[in-house]
Amino acid sequence: EAQVTQNPRYLITVTGKKLTVTCSQNMNHEYMSWYRQDPGLGLRQIYYSMNVEVTDKGDVPEGYKVSRKEKRNFPLILESPSPNQTSLYFCASSQSWGPSSYEQYFGPGTRLTVT
Amino acid sequence: QKEVEQNSGPLSVPEGAIASLNCTYSDRGSQSFFWYRQYSGKSPELIMFIYSNGDKEDGRFTAQLNKASQYVSLLIRDSQPSDSATYLCAVVNSNYQLIWGAGTKLIIKP
Repeated sequence: EAQVTQNPRYLITVTGKKLTVTCSQNMNHEYMSWYRQDPGLGLRQIYYSMNVEVTDKGDVPEGYKVSRKEKRNFPLILESPSPNQTSLYFCASSQSWGPSSYEQYFGPGTRLTVT
Repeated sequence: QKEVEQNSGPLSVPEGAIASLNCTYSDRGSQSFFWYRQYSGKSPELIMFIYSNGDKEDGRFTAQLNKASQYVSLLIRDSQPSDSATYLCAVVNSNYQLIWGAGTKLIIKP
């Protein structure tokens, strides 16, 4: 089954404790992206990756890191989480990024609470 | 002014009626337009995309694009309670960035 998976699905942590949210896709997609979703603000892009070893900042990259060492995986790293990073996080992938290839497939989401 | 704007709703529509969802965008060079549906606590899923002016139909769903007026609409015919969700409009702007609206919450009343 073609899918994007994320782990963990739910996470409660404390300020300053490093964490990683994993994302993996089995569709051989080149483009991957991380979003956070907050009430009233919609989806905001954190980082994206056009291909292996190529990553770039989105709209709200502060406090986050990513890496793309393999095509299928795109982990999101919070080195020192803070309460304002409490949010619902989605990983998404797309075959590529260009005309006719903007359709994104989303993972199930990770609900993160930082206390 | 947000680059992509949607009325947050909720929009309440009787079962069986037509639900009309609207989205406006500010970048006149925007080229691709998407409607995603998101059930509460779930991830967004693509319903339709439209690239050219006019209407595009897929089952009970019709997307309408008017580039001159810079709006895109989604019509849902014969609305069902299962259509109750938040509908997200997304637009690829002239810089090839995908910009999301905040979504419209739709409630279909039985």
